[in-house]
Amino acid sequence: DVKVTQSSRYLVKRTGEKVFLECVQDMDHENMFWYRQDPGLGLRLIYFSYDVKMKEKGDIPEGYSVSREKKERFSLILESASTNQTSMYLCASRLNRWYEQYFGPGTRLTVT
Amino acid sequence: AQSVTQLGSHVSVSEGALVLLRCNYSSSVPPYLFWYVQYPNQGLQLLLKYTTGATLVKGINGFEAEFKKSETSFHLTKPSAHMSDAAEYFCAVSEAGNQGGKLIFGQGTELSVKP
Repeated sequence: DVKVTQSSRYLVKRTGEKVFLECVQDMDHENMFWYRQDPGLGLRLIYFSYDVKMKEKGDIPEGYSVSREKKERFSLILESASTNQTSMYLCASRLNRWYEQYFGPGTRLTVT
Repeated sequence: AQSVTQLGSHVSVSEGALVLLRCNYSSSVPPYLFWYVQYPNQGLQLLLKYTTGATLVKGINGFEAEFKKSETSFHLTKPSAHMSDAAEYFCAVSEAGNQGGKLIFGQGTELSVKP
């Protein structure tokens, strides 16, 4: 079975802190994704990566950056956390563009 | 541009009743279509997908969906609801090969099942 893990299930940070969210997949997938999920808005794509060291902006990249130094790991970085970044963050991976995405359990981030 | 509309943010059914969750999409090319389920405090799990071929797709937990090109719909059904089906359901569309096959999600439908 594909396994996508995220470093934390719950996280509380203060405004202005630098925040790292880590995602690891164990199935040698090429593509990885970061979404945020907010009530009534569904899932919105922040960034995605087709391959190692490659990244593309999604629909809401402002205030976020990403890093993919190894194939199995995709990190989401909030350079200076703000309260409007309080949300559920979901990581996903897939073999390539012809296949479905597999999701991690999510990280619920609260910024106070 | 692609988009997905799920009709009804909340659907309530009785245990044993038919489940029908509606999804309409827009796409400029033949789409790939997906239904995902999310249980409380968990990530999304794939229920079923349509890529090509047979338009009636069967998934896990007794769910199925039918791709109707003329209606641009991909409604999710289950003949008999179970209490364990209570969850949030997301429909998604992907134009495989276009823009890397990004997924566009609907806003989600929360399914409640009454005893």
